[in-house]
Amino acid sequence: NAGVTQTPKFRVLKTGQSMTLLCAQDMNHEYMYWYRQDPGMGLRLIHYSVGEGTTAKGEVPDGYNVSRLKKQNFLLGLESAAPSQTSVYFCASSSIQGSQETQYFGPGTRLLVL
Amino acid sequence: AQSVTQLDSHVSVSEGTPVLLRCNYSSSYSPSLFWYVQHPNKGLQLLLKYTSAATLVKGINGFEAEFKKSETSFHLTKPSAHMSDAAEYFCVVSPYGQNFVFGPGTRLSVLP
Repeated sequence: NAGVTQTPKFRVLKTGQSMTLLCAQDMNHEYMYWYRQDPGMGLRLIHYSVGEGTTAKGEVPDGYNVSRLKKQNFLLGLESAAPSQTSVYFCASSSIQGSQETQYFGPGTRLLVL
Repeated sequence: AQSVTQLDSHVSVSEGTPVLLRCNYSSSYSPSLFWYVQHPNKGLQLLLKYTSAATLVKGINGFEAEFKKSETSFHLTKPSAHMSDAAEYFCVVSPYGQNFVFGPGTRLSVLP
């Protein structure tokens, strides 16, 4: 199993450009998440999904959109990138099995917006 | 609302001495609690988790944490630090398994 993978690993954008980050998991997990990590702030939840075809806003959703058309994929879109979106983005997935939920993280995508 | 406080942004210990990383949480429910570790330029790895079974939880690499409901704490400890333990550590609370709230992180430095 590859676990959780993220594409791309690193990207540089100019202000106003758009891009999509792809997250894929092969563990058949129901839940998927997108976080951003900024220095001194831990991880903040952008959007999450509790199943195929469903998405919900997290703590910092503005400027981002997501889609979960397939259970194994969770896409994060930036329609018009801003320098404030320079960050490291982590995708995670989890599955509820009784009370044994655990998140599994991808390796991260470093995004620089100039 | 759920929140996590990690009381120290940076902890520095000497190799071979004990490690204590502090975490306090607030939650309206009986939560699940986790500690994750992140090495430089890496993703997050689960160290251990508490899910309403034993209050003393043992994790990987010799780490353990004790859930104390009366103190709303979930401090992470290790008897003897190793150089490879230098990393960022995150305490996480999950009140009902859908949302995970992260603390701001504690950076652990291990001195030779």
